[in-house]
Amino acid sequence: GENVEQHPSTLSVQEGDSAVIKCTYSDSASNYFPWYKQELGKRPQLIIDIRSNVGEKKDQRIAVTLNKTAKHFSLHITETQPEDSAVYFCAASREGDYKLSFGAGTTVTVRA
Amino acid sequence: NAGVTQTPKFRVLKTGQSMTLLCAQDMNHEYMYWYRQDPGMGLRLIHYSVGEGTTAKGEVPDGYNVSRLKKQNFLLGLESAAPSQTSVYFCASRVAGLGVTGELFFGEGSRLTVL
Repeated sequence: GENVEQHPSTLSVQEGDSAVIKCTYSDSASNYFPWYKQELGKRPQLIIDIRSNVGEKKDQRIAVTLNKTAKHFSLHITETQPEDSAVYFCAASREGDYKLSFGAGTTVTVRA
Repeated sequence: NAGVTQTPKFRVLKTGQSMTLLCAQDMNHEYMYWYRQDPGMGLRLIHYSVGEGTTAKGEVPDGYNVSRLKKQNFLLGLESAAPSQTSVYFCASRVAGLGVTGELFFGEGSRLTVL
């Protein structure tokens, strides 16, 4: 099955700086890559996703890039704010599969 | 529209006891999932269902059973709880018919402690 590895496990950034989280996947047939954000004590929620037919997608201060050849994708958060502090999960899935494979998560802390 | 609701939110069990977690969704979603979340291990899939009356095993199904008798409900059972099942359990659902994509909607989580 699919194996998703996520790095780093923790990330501390100064408010206003950028944060980057990287994930690698093993199944070359995977073609859907969502990112979920989980604030402390809350449920995970989808923040952005990308399909394999595009290389980059942006939504305000967050962006995701995909390198299919290298089988890795990344989440970029620019101009970080205190409300960006959370655990972020990457995931991967392929056509015909009903389920997502999640990475282990990255705890992001934004320092004021 | 409540979304995905899990009950109970918290539970403490003794080793060997049994219990059932209930997940209910009011979005008419076909697909439902049970995950467990442990520190440093992300979200691991226990069981899932792609429709009423169907269930399938995920990554970590041992020690758990599930049932989907009604489309809106997905039950997770522990027949004989073990300390290794201490975790936070999340139910999720999503709409069918979107191929591989489709947002997962999560419940608020159920924190289970097995002593």
